Amino acid sequence: GAGVSQTPSNKVTEKGKYVELRCDPISGHTALYWYRQSLGQGPEFLIYFQGTGAADDSGLPNDRFFAVRPEGSVSTLKIQRTERGDSAVYLCASSLAGGGETQYFGPGTRLLVL
Amino acid sequence: GENVEQHPSTLSVQEGDSAVIKCTYSDSASNYFPWYKQELGKGPQLIIDIRSNVGEKKDQRIAVTLNKTAKHFSLHITETQPEDSAVYFCAAQVMRFGAGTRLTVKP
Repeated sequence: GAGVSQTPSNKVTEKGKYVELRCDPISGHTALYWYRQSLGQGPEFLIYFQGTGAADDSGLPNDRFFAVRPEGSVSTLKIQRTERGDSAVYLCASSLAGGGETQYFGPGTRLLVL
Repeated sequence: GENVEQHPSTLSVQEGDSAVIKCTYSDSASNYFPWYKQELGKGPQLIIDIRSNVGEKKDQRIAVTLNKTAKHFSLHITETQPEDSAVYFCAAQVMRFGAGTRLTVKP
């Protein structure tokens, strides 16, 4: 079956611009996670959705970052007023349920802020 | 919050040798410890996981051990093959990842 997909695969933007990154989880997975991965580092947790609600958003670095999952399926990570330090790979993962179920990762969106 | 440390950052072995990667965690309440393999340009893929009610788990050439008292867990890969070359991550509490180990298996 289809895995987790993320679009776009690559995004180049200018400092100060707004970007949206999309994640399509595996059908039926209620849990969805966003991570940020810088070069040579492990994934850094950003936010976790259970259904439509954000169960844990403690990893969002500041109020420029926001994520939604209005229908409990597709999720969008939104970054306002992008900064060069936001450049990273943004990974999405989904699992059947939260709390210890296997996470399936997408290929990521490579964001470059010039 | 949970803090996960992973060692070594790089590991080079000869084909056929064993490889061991170690992680420590800080939160004694953590009860789920997955290991992921990440190849270039791809997302991490789960290779094995262990829960706090067991001390060891094996899957063919891969094994994971957990010492809850010492708060550390390890990944063991036996009979390494060149295709095992990748970056490996440990994690605790689902969402807290180590910094990764780049494993190179030389033919």
